[in-house]
Parts: sequence; C-alpha cells; structure tokens
Amino acid sequence: QQPVQSPQAVILREGEDAVINCSSSKALYSVHWYRQKHGEAPVFLMILLKGGEQKGHEKISASFNEKKQQSSLYLTASQLSYSGTYFCGIPQGGSEKLVFGKGTKLTVNP
Amino acid sequence: DAGITQSPRHKVTETGTPVTLRCHQTENHRYMYWYRQDPGHGLRLIHYSYGVKDTDKGEVSDGYSVSRSKTEDFLLTLESATSSQTSVYFCAISGTSGEAQETQYFGPGTRLLVL
Repeated sequence: QQPVQSPQAVILREGEDAVINCSSSKALYSVHWYRQKHGEAPVFLMILLKGGEQKGHEKISASFNEKKQQSSLYLTASQLSYSGTYFCGIPQGGSEKLVFGKGTKLTVNP
Repeated sequence: DAGITQSPRHKVTETGTPVTLRCHQTENHRYMYWYRQDPGHGLRLIHYSYGVKDTDKGEVSDGYSVSRSKTEDFLLTLESATSSQTSVYFCAISGTSGEAQETQYFGPGTRLLVL
C-alpha cells in the first residue's frame, strides 16, 4: 500500500527549515528516503530502521516513529541545492520491493 | 555510484510498434527493477527480477514484459506501444552485501514518447 506524503509541495527561502512526512497504513519496519532533482534520477539519501533511529545526510535528518507508522524528514537551514522532489519508500511484501509515495516537491529560493 | 546504464536514453516511436529498453549494471546486484514515472503518480513498479531468469510482476505490468538472461542485463519490452505508455522509465538495482537489501540505486532514465 502506497505511503502518503505531506505536504505535496513546499516553497522555502534559503536558510529556512522544512519537514516532510511519510505515513503508512501498515506497520513500518524501515523507511527509505530519496531525492530527485529535475530531469535526473532519484538518489538514495538514507534509510531509517525500526527502533526510532535517527539518521543524517548533510543538514538533512530524519526520524522514524514505528508507533505512529510515520517517518519525518527534516531539512535544516535549507540550501538552493536542496530543491527537488523527495520520495519515501517502504518495503512491500518481501523486503526486496519498495513502494514509493507520490513525492513532495521542495523549492528553495534565494 | 552504482554502475547502471540505460539505453536508449530517449526514444520516439509510433503506436503499435514493439519497443525494448535495456538496463545494464556492472555491480553484480541480485535485484533489478523497472519503474515508470508519471506526473502525479510518483514511481510505479512495472516488473522486477530477483535473479537470472527469475522475474515477477509489479503494480503496473499490463502491456509490458521483461527478460533477464544475464546478471548484468534486464530488458523491458513494450509488446505493442500505446500512447498511455509515454513516460520516463527508470531501472534500479539493489541487493549488495553490507546494505539493507531493498536500498535501491537508479539508472539515468529513458524518456519514451509514443505517438
């Protein structure tokens, strides 16, 4: 079942913060985050595993709340290079498959 | 970066013609995937492979077939292309030791236009 991402889009000025959420109707064991820049392929950012472990990438961090069946991506002091569409992916069926959310488009302006 | 290439990168074809897209990896990853990406839908799985000659359907497999005769190559065929198959197609790989099995790495994509 496809995870639900919110918001669908967000516009920031450089230096501002943003939070992107990813929710599942089923129990979560891991959540993957990807970023895709316009015209490019999705790029793996990080994986969050069961246990509430928080990970980081540049000034981007994420949390995983298995009780709420939700993961949140935190973008701190955003840079122009953070612009793109962010996808969360959760394992489906066997662990070798991921189902992705529809994405959150982040635009960072000067 | 994972060594994944896709060919062709761009293709224009006519309705009713067969089309084959190729994904090639140099990483010896076990799993390979084909996705299509359309506005408003995100990434949707077409087919995937869990080994040579081992494939399975994804959520949008109708009108598509795949083959994997070697570890490094995964082919996606549109038997008779339709305009609804106009999309960007991404190949992905996963399944290397030391990482979560499902962490995927994507190829550069193929833009397909069916007229």
